[in-house]
This record gives sequence, C-alpha cells and structure tokens, in this order.
Amino acid sequence: AQTVTQSQPEMSVQEAETVTLSCTYDTSESNYYLFWYKQPPSRQMILVIRQEAYKQQNATENRFSVNFQKAAKSFSLKISDSQLGDTAMYFCASMGAGSYQLTFGKGTKLSVIP
Amino acid sequence: GAVVSQHPSWVICKSGTSVKIECRSLDFQATTMFWYRQFPKQSLMLMATSNEGSKATYEQGVEKDKFLINHASLTLSTLTVTSAHPEDSSFYICSARGGTYNEQFFGPGTRLTVL
Repeated sequence: AQTVTQSQPEMSVQEAETVTLSCTYDTSESNYYLFWYKQPPSRQMILVIRQEAYKQQNATENRFSVNFQKAAKSFSLKISDSQLGDTAMYFCASMGAGSYQLTFGKGTKLSVIP
Repeated sequence: GAVVSQHPSWVICKSGTSVKIECRSLDFQATTMFWYRQFPKQSLMLMATSNEGSKATYEQGVEKDKFLINHASLTLSTLTVTSAHPEDSSFYICSARGGTYNEQFFGPGTRLTVL
C-alpha cells in the first residue's frame, strides 16, 4: 500500500522568486518512482519531474528540482524563478515499479503573484 | 510523442441516459489504461485499471455495472456511464501506460454534466 501526503493546501509566491512544495510518502515497495504533476486551469495533467527511488541524485528539469530524502520518505519540489504560467495545482504521486498504479496526494494550489 | 486524447471534452446529458467517453493513445500502444474521476478542487481518484483484451479491474466502491470499461485495442479504451444521474457529474480523466519508465500519460479530460 502507498500513501502520499501534501500538507500545504495552498501556497503563493512572487514572480521570479523560489518556492518549495512539500510531499511525504509511504510505500511497501522496494523499488518505486516518484512524480510531480502540474494541473493548470485547463485541467490537463502535465508531468513536471520524475525521480527513480534507486537513484540518489536529485532530479532536475530546468527551473524545477526535487529534494529526495529516501530515509525520511520526503520528496519536495523546488520551483526557481517562478513564472505566472506556474500557477496551477501540483500533485505529488508515487508508483510501485511493479504495479504501475499512481497514488496521488491531495495537491497544493500554487499561485504566482505578479 | 506520448499523446493521449479523449473524446468528447465536454458532454451534457439527461438523467437516465448513457454516455460513452473514448480514450486513445495516439502515437504509442498502451496495454494498460487507467480511468480517474476528479471532483472540483480535489485530487484524482482511480476508478479502474483497464488491460487490453481482458476485464477491467475496479477500485473498491466503484460500481462496475454503472461504469463499463472496454479496452478492445492497444490504442483505445472506452468508459460508458450507464443510466447517468446528476451525482455522476464530474471530470473524468484517462491515462495510458507507456514510455521508458512505464509511466502514465494523461488525456485532457472529459467534463460530464448530467441534468
């Protein structure tokens, strides 16, 4: 069984500033993947970043990076140089390597303020 | 690559009628597709997992006779909401498994309104 917890229902950040979204998870899988998805007002789910649990190096995609703390079961997302287009719901999710099912957190609504 | 489409994007129907939603993987074959339901300001709730050529696996609490899922080919899965009622109004999202990491690629969603 897997659980994903996002403790920040809403956050805001000034344009060009940096913001960190928190996520903790629990899983019984020995091998798993972690994801951050973005859901803008259009409601299209967009993959932001992916982390393979067996890799110690934190994943990075342009302005987006994660802080993956495996022992603490923590997987936070850092957005640098925030842009207005980053305004969206952000969902943290986990997936067991064998099950292929995603378990989502409740989401964090991020607002980027001009 | 890895594009998933859904049709229709928005549908309004009368109570008691049935509605079919299509989910297609456009540029890859998907042996597994997933159907989610999302209520306003909430997270995605997995309804069922659909495997090509076999019966769908429904999550606990999801009525399989009400939400009929067919995955007849490697690129198409359909969700039929039978005898729809206003409480079935929601946003339905499909995803298809593929890619190097067997991750899920999401469709744009279908907004269902039952009057």
